[in-house]
Amino acid sequence: GAGVSQTPSNKVTEKGKYVELRCDPISGHTALYWYRQSLGQGPEFLIYFQGTGAADDSGLPNDRFFAVRPEGSVSTLKIQRTERGDSAVYLCASSWSPGGELFFGEGSRLTVL
Amino acid sequence: AQTVTQSQPEMSVQEAETVTLSCTYDTSENNYYLFWYKQPPSRQMILVIRQEAYKQQNATENRFSVNFQKAAKSFSLKISDSQLGDTAMYFCAFMMGYSGNTPLVFGKGTRLSVIA
Repeated sequence: GAGVSQTPSNKVTEKGKYVELRCDPISGHTALYWYRQSLGQGPEFLIYFQGTGAADDSGLPNDRFFAVRPEGSVSTLKIQRTERGDSAVYLCASSWSPGGELFFGEGSRLTVL
Repeated sequence: AQTVTQSQPEMSVQEAETVTLSCTYDTSENNYYLFWYKQPPSRQMILVIRQEAYKQQNATENRFSVNFQKAAKSFSLKISDSQLGDTAMYFCAFMMGYSGNTPLVFGKGTRLSVIA
């Protein structure tokens, strides 16, 4: 597609459930980033992929969060045993290479009841 | 760790006027990039302007310009001839290193309202 696509746009779930958020980057972009944006805050880094491998996952808050990018294109952010504090907008961005301009998707808004 | 501070949670400006958004950052590095991003209600972050730390000349993109003061670690954004479409959240961001193999660090943002 022309831009970074994220699905779902909105997700409401109950505490304790499992959630998957998908990011489809711009075709050919090798670098992919996940950020989390809580209400009234700036985006906070979660994880960065270069190709298929996670080059930096230092921002993942705990082991309930996991992300994959098996074929170096689409990425899935997985959250287990969701908690109310996980409620936020999850942003995905991609770029041609590390240091290149980041192109962001419109985010997935997660609400945990 | 690098930090980015935006001290103005909210700003407003009359249409066609000029407004300046402030940003300061803290780093011990000498090589880095600075950015201003715009986030309208659609949530999609849009790059407004980018500055390389090794460049002394301030970056300019049409109505948007920056005042980069490296010694003071200050990076303000000036919007000239403000338009209603400029209404959005604005985030200042920092990226370390030439390789760019480090994540962007964002400030908390400034909500700008352009008033007709």
